Amino acid sequence: NAGVTQTPKFQVLKTGQSMTLQCAQDMNHEYMSWYRQDPGMGLRLIHYSVGAGITDQGEVPNGYNVSRSTTEDFPLRLLSAAPSQTSVYFCASSYRAPGIVAKNIQYFGAGTRLSVL
Amino acid sequence: KQEVTQIPAALSVPEGENLVLNCSFTDSAIYNLQWFRQDPGKGLTSLLLIQSSQREQTSGRLNASLDKSSGRSTLYIAASQPGDSATYLCAVSLDKVSTQGGSEKLVFGKGMKLTVNP
Repeated sequence: NAGVTQTPKFQVLKTGQSMTLQCAQDMNHEYMSWYRQDPGMGLRLIHYSVGAGITDQGEVPNGYNVSRSTTEDFPLRLLSAAPSQTSVYFCASSYRAPGIVAKNIQYFGAGTRLSVL
Repeated sequence: KQEVTQIPAALSVPEGENLVLNCSFTDSAIYNLQWFRQDPGKGLTSLLLIQSSQREQTSGRLNASLDKSSGRSTLYIAASQPGDSATYLCAVSLDKVSTQGGSEKLVFGKGMKLTVNP
């Protein structure tokens, strides 16, 4: 049971390049989310998904696309990278279980550290 | 807009002290509140989750309480150890998604960096 796996761990891009940050979970969680963490700003929600085929925007969605074709995977795409997207990106997942405390716990990946030059 | 505040931003204490970490939120319509731990260069690990209908949760030396009406939560760490040194983050799940039954949309505080000195 690997939990939430993010790849790559580090990435350097030039302005205008595109890339996909990968996130996979093996816990059969319905919910998956992407956050970015910036100094002085904390973690902010980019996009989230409540199940395969269903995605929605979070607080800071501009410049990012997502899709959820399977329960396990939730990739985050940067179409044209900008220096403002330099950040640490975290993927998280959890069950969908109303009222069941233990199943609402969020599990986070180790993060992808992205620099855009 | 929900805002979550953690004060102070950093705390340095000698080993053995009992600690209280504070978290406040502006909108009491939350579904649950979670406390996380983050070690340098690592992801987040959930420590405790309190549903909005609960008052507290305990795990080992950790105890978290929730007062939804006043918009406050505290994380109590008993007999602190150097291994407790990390950044502690508080996050609330927004109640407007409660019909979905989950906590997929979290609003985080900026965290509190704790250093426990031997």
